Amino acid sequence: SAVISQKPSRDICQRGTSLTIQCQVDSQVTMMFWYRQQPGQSLTLIATANQGSEATYESGFVIDKFPISRPNLTFSTLTVSNMSPEDSSIYLCSVQSDGYTFGSGTRLTVV
Amino acid sequence: GIQVEQSPPDLILQEGANSTLRCNFSDSVNNLQWFHQNPWGQLINLFYIPSGTKQNGRLSATTVATERYSLLYISSSQTTDSGVYFCAGRYGGATNKLIFGTGTLLAVQP
Repeated sequence: SAVISQKPSRDICQRGTSLTIQCQVDSQVTMMFWYRQQPGQSLTLIATANQGSEATYESGFVIDKFPISRPNLTFSTLTVSNMSPEDSSIYLCSVQSDGYTFGSGTRLTVV
Repeated sequence: GIQVEQSPPDLILQEGANSTLRCNFSDSVNNLQWFHQNPWGQLINLFYIPSGTKQNGRLSATTVATERYSLLYISSSQTTDSGVYFCAGRYGGATNKLIFGTGTLLAVQP
């Protein structure tokens, strides 16, 4: 199955700033998925990113807050914009490969 | 919307005990996976099991797709089994979205 390298692994950010999270896959994949896990909660899908088209966002998530890039079939970024303490979460990327494989996650704390 | 419910929500075991975790889903799935999230937040894929039974060491899983549930068995539990266990299902149609269950928090005590 695919191997995903995600970075940064963690960060502490000031409110009002933005953070860009990167995911690199060791093979070409059509779709990449971005999830958010708020403290003590399950994982919620933010959006699905296809190469060459705009990402598809789930209800409750908007492009202005979570812009996504997908420049090629092995790479994607998620930006968390204009952060507030409520954005403190673990963010994970995922691809479909022998089931679904996940990156190691980015633990974000907004202060 | 699609619901994936897990039980129990919390579980405390003594080392060496056995346990069964359950996942109920509200609609038919064509991809059912079990994950273990360790204390560092990493999601480890345990089983891809849309139907039938699989075993891997002390862990095994069974999915009965027609009755919309899956079970994860942990035998001879160890402290390293602690963490959160999630099931997740992909539903039919054009979507490839994986919907996660509510999770079971497992604590194995020495």
